[in-house]
Amino acid sequence: SQTIHQWPATLVQPVGSPLSLECTVEGTSNPNLYWYRQAAGRGLQLLFYSVGIGQISSEVPQNLSASRPQDRQFILSSKKLLLSDSGFYLCAWRAGGPGNEQFFGPGTRLTVL
Amino acid sequence: DQQVKQNSPSLSVQEGRISILNCDYTNSMFDYFLWYKKYPAEGPTFLISISSIKDKNEDGRFTVFLNKSAKHLSLHIVPSQPGDSAVYFCAASLPSGNTPLVFGKGTRLSVIA
Repeated sequence: SQTIHQWPATLVQPVGSPLSLECTVEGTSNPNLYWYRQAAGRGLQLLFYSVGIGQISSEVPQNLSASRPQDRQFILSSKKLLLSDSGFYLCAWRAGGPGNEQFFGPGTRLTVL
Repeated sequence: DQQVKQNSPSLSVQEGRISILNCDYTNSMFDYFLWYKKYPAEGPTFLISISSIKDKNEDGRFTVFLNKSAKHLSLHIVPSQPGDSAVYFCAASLPSGNTPLVFGKGTRLSVIA
């Protein structure tokens, strides 16, 4: 069966510090991978998605970036965090092709102070 | 332009009664629809889906109805239980399955004992 891991679960970082959130998927190959952010009381905002190694599509221009160094690894990064980067970050995977469900990781709560 | 809309931000229902969550979409190319349930500080979990070739799909207490002519889908929960209290997101997919799901902003369901 497939599983998706995210870490860390919670993170408190000062403004201006770097960020690295990691997501890995097990039990599947060549998944489509996604990073979302949920700000307090808001919906799911798609940040980045990837359909293959090294292929990243950005949905929202901001000071975040994403990388996919391996087939089942997706990393969200920032060089300098802003207060507005606080939120709940979710990684998700979905098998390519029609009629497939998408599965989410447990999320990372990021607080920028 | 919101292609998937959940016009009710919140809904309260008494335990044992039916909960009906609604979702409208504008893109007639969507061919697969999904519902997710989200508890605070957790990733969304997949609930139920429906293909555009069907008008109903049932799984236990959960039934999704699709009205393609009205571009409307609904999730029925019968009977509602306190544990169903969560935010529910509907999502829609294009036929290729390789573009990101389009999510609504969510409806917060409160089931009152």
